[in-house]
Amino acid sequence: QFTLKESGPTLVRPTQTLTLTCTFTGFSLNIPAVGVGWIRQPPGKALEWLALLYWHDDERNSPSLRDNINITWDTSTNQVVLTMTDVDPGDTATYFCAHASQVKVRKFLFDYWGPGLLVTVSS
Amino acid sequence: DIQMTQSPSSLSASLGDRVTITCRTSQKIFNEVAWLQQTPGQAPRPLIYSASNLHRGVPSRFSGSGSGTDFTLTISSLQPEDFTTYFCQQYNSFPVTFGGGTRVDIK
Repeated sequence: QFTLKESGPTLVRPTQTLTLTCTFTGFSLNIPAVGVGWIRQPPGKALEWLALLYWHDDERNSPSLRDNINITWDTSTNQVVLTMTDVDPGDTATYFCAHASQVKVRKFLFDYWGPGLLVTVSS
Repeated sequence: DIQMTQSPSSLSASLGDRVTITCRTSQKIFNEVAWLQQTPGQAPRPLIYSASNLHRGVPSRFSGSGSGTDFTLTISSLQPEDFTTYFCQQYNSFPVTFGGGTRVDIK
């Protein structure tokens, strides 16, 4: 049974750096064909993929946010951390992390999701 | 980026109705489409992958079809818990992209 849970601040000021943590159980990123991704959803809007980290410590980021986001894996705590710099009110969203199963080369399914964390960016 | 055009954006239906939601992609992606269901305030629930394969535990009233650029999600007989929102998603290439969503309301 895979579980994931997002944690971090629920209110961030514009221009600050947002750091979100995904704590997961039931799997390891040391195993081939496994990854953890981040997806967000502004209130009332569609889902937007942000980043993916997978075994071999490889990662992919959304081109629209590439300069502002970073995804890392803390092997000692089984956590994946998403860092987003210089946030603005447009980054207000529910942030989800999800277990990703690799189905083909560079193709991943998000098959288990965390409950999400609503982050508001406001002064 | 691969664009996902999902339609309709909303629909009204009755219990027991058959409904179909479509997703068109901006380029051919074989069958690399997933469908997710999302109830307000909750995480998305994966329903279908590879266009037509049901995830474990998903009721058989859900089905998916399509390949190339046109994909459909069909619910054969709407149940009370099905009145919620659905998204398509492509995983053919990065960046992963999602459709705009379809809200299914009770008529």
